[in-house]
Amino acid sequence: QKEVEQNSGPLSVPEGAIASLNCTYSDRGSQSFFWYRQYSGKSPELIMSIYSNGDKEDGRFTAQLNKASQYVSLLIRDSQPSDSATYLCAVISNTGNQFYFGTGTSLTVIP
Amino acid sequence: GAGVSQSPSNKVTEKGKDVELRCDPISGHTALYWYRQSLGQGLEFLIYFQGNSAPDKSGLPSDRFSAERTGGSVSTLTIQRTQQEDSAVYLCASSPDRGFYEQYFGPGTRLTVT
Repeated sequence: QKEVEQNSGPLSVPEGAIASLNCTYSDRGSQSFFWYRQYSGKSPELIMSIYSNGDKEDGRFTAQLNKASQYVSLLIRDSQPSDSATYLCAVISNTGNQFYFGTGTSLTVIP
Repeated sequence: GAGVSQSPSNKVTEKGKDVELRCDPISGHTALYWYRQSLGQGLEFLIYFQGNSAPDKSGLPSDRFSAERTGGSVSTLTIQRTQQEDSAVYLCASSPDRGFYEQYFGPGTRLTVT
């Protein structure tokens, strides 16, 4: 079982819609969770971090964490074509010494 | 200010040769990370340094891989006796503090083993 699992997609949404990206993790001891965005041919960039159960909002982005169910999600409101990218979920291991990325979900926002 | 830099940007090597990949972190960042990303694969964590120390080297794929960091700054990832399966983009990141938070990634080194 992989430490972090994501649907690879592709996920397509029309411009202005809400994009919902999901991630599950296997290590129940994990405490810190991250969403990175990676444009094609570019390096990842951090867009959100979340550490507590519930929702965390930052502009058009909302991260949601449910530790009991071991899932993390990212909602993108009012999706824009510039949001088209691969979104990577990542977690810190419970030892704090390793970092696991999912394989990413490819998002396309259609104008 | 300057971001994370990596060199070379591209490296083509023959199977069996050794390669060195270099990472210059953002000035003042104490933590440095190495990852690799293969075509169609996710980002694979290799190793991280807090200062010059690497708390856990178990992410390195084999004993052909080694990494060091000197002076709390530049890091080198060395791959000995390269194999075709080592072909990937090797990414370096740094962060101002320990623990994988606020990682800033470099542009990567694309390694091709022929």
